[in-house]
Amino acid sequence: DAGVIQSPRHEVTEMGQEVTLRCKPISGHNSLFWYRQTMMRGLELLIYFNNNVPIDDSGMPEDRFSAKMPNASFSTLKIQPSEPRDSAVYFCASLTRNPSYNEQFFGPGTRLTVL
Amino acid sequence: DQQVKQNSPSLSVQEGRISILNCDYTNSMFDYFLWYKKYPAEGPTFLISISSIKDKNEDGRFTVFLNKSAKHLSLHIVPSQPGDSAVYFCAAIGPTSGSRLTFGEGTQLTVNP
Repeated sequence: DAGVIQSPRHEVTEMGQEVTLRCKPISGHNSLFWYRQTMMRGLELLIYFNNNVPIDDSGMPEDRFSAKMPNASFSTLKIQPSEPRDSAVYFCASLTRNPSYNEQFFGPGTRLTVL
Repeated sequence: DQQVKQNSPSLSVQEGRISILNCDYTNSMFDYFLWYKKYPAEGPTFLISISSIKDKNEDGRFTVFLNKSAKHLSLHIVPSQPGDSAVYFCAAIGPTSGSRLTFGEGTQLTVNP
């Protein structure tokens, strides 16, 4: 299995531009999570989906952020317009529920720099 | 409100010695705890977990201890190896969390040869 796939791995953009991050979860996993890692706040959950349906988006910082999961094998996180304070590493993770496990599998992350 | 806290941002130990990473939580509803390890430029990877019905879980050089009364867990690595140098995150989940893991801030472990 290729694991969770994220693209791009690195993104440098200018303030005000739209940024789209992509994620392909592990096949068969029915939950997908978007996280942001910063030095100050560690790993923050932004939003997660169960069976392609958004369940908890309370971590999405503001309306500039949106996430979609049109099917079980693809999700996007969009920032429009981007700001320098959005610079961080964004991780996608997926999960298959097992009654005795809560292990999420993470992708390699996208390092976003907004100038 | 930081429900899971790792108060030590960094820890440095000598190769062969024990590494002890600590984690505290405030939410008494948490009943399952995980440790993740993260190397630079990679995503976190699952390391070891423990259910609240246990107070210890061991996997090779890694042992996690849970003290429910103190709301404290720790990860012991014995013996420590230079390849263990990474950021370690503890995480927690409970029956009211849905699928949501709550992570600590992470501790950077450096194992010196």
